[in-house]
Amino acid sequence: AQSVTQLDSQVPVFEEAPVELRCNYSSSVSVYLFWYVQYPNQGLQLLLKYLSGSTLVKGINGFEAEFNKSQTSFHLRKPSVHISDTAEYFCAVSGSPYNQGGKLIFGQGTELSVKP
Amino acid sequence: NAGVTQTPKFQVLKTGQSMTLQCAQDMNHNSMYWYRQDPGMGLRLIYYSASEGTTDKGEVPNGYNVSRLNKREFSLRLESAAPSQTSVYFCASSKGTEPYNEQFFGPGTRLTVL
Repeated sequence: AQSVTQLDSQVPVFEEAPVELRCNYSSSVSVYLFWYVQYPNQGLQLLLKYLSGSTLVKGINGFEAEFNKSQTSFHLRKPSVHISDTAEYFCAVSGSPYNQGGKLIFGQGTELSVKP
Repeated sequence: NAGVTQTPKFQVLKTGQSMTLQCAQDMNHNSMYWYRQDPGMGLRLIYYSASEGTTDKGEVPNGYNVSRLNKREFSLRLESAAPSQTSVYFCASSKGTEPYNEQFFGPGTRLTVL
């Protein structure tokens, strides 16, 4: 079955340190890739998306992600995190062969905990 | 502009009780979705509605029914709640079902079934 794997369930990091949240997907055809963020007790909010074109995608709050087709990865990075970045982050994929009414396939989520 | 709204925010049910989760969007979107979120499993699609008047099953539809009341509203019904349905439920909407469309999420309903 097609899937999305987030390689770390929890990532603790100190404030102002860089962070990378890893995401791999399994697909042999074109896909669309998304990163969503969920702050405590809130819904999901789009951070960034890759549809086509440049493999480096910039999003909100200083986050960026790089699409690597050969490694089927879409890792999320931020050079310097803040306490306010503490949240759960979800990688998601859509497109053939996943597409079923615009269905998103989500990874398991990564909890980013930023410590002072 | 409220985006996607959900009611209630919290609910506790006893096994066998029924309830309906309400969702509404004010973005004039065609497509709407219901997901459930369980620890360590991400979000899984329960049902979706590609457009007004249509509904289809997602990945985990058993024990649920849906109604697309009009373009704005999409409800999820649990006819006979079970403890396995304890979860956080999210409604989402998008312009259409094309895979490049962003989905916009509501704040969620936290449901506990005892």
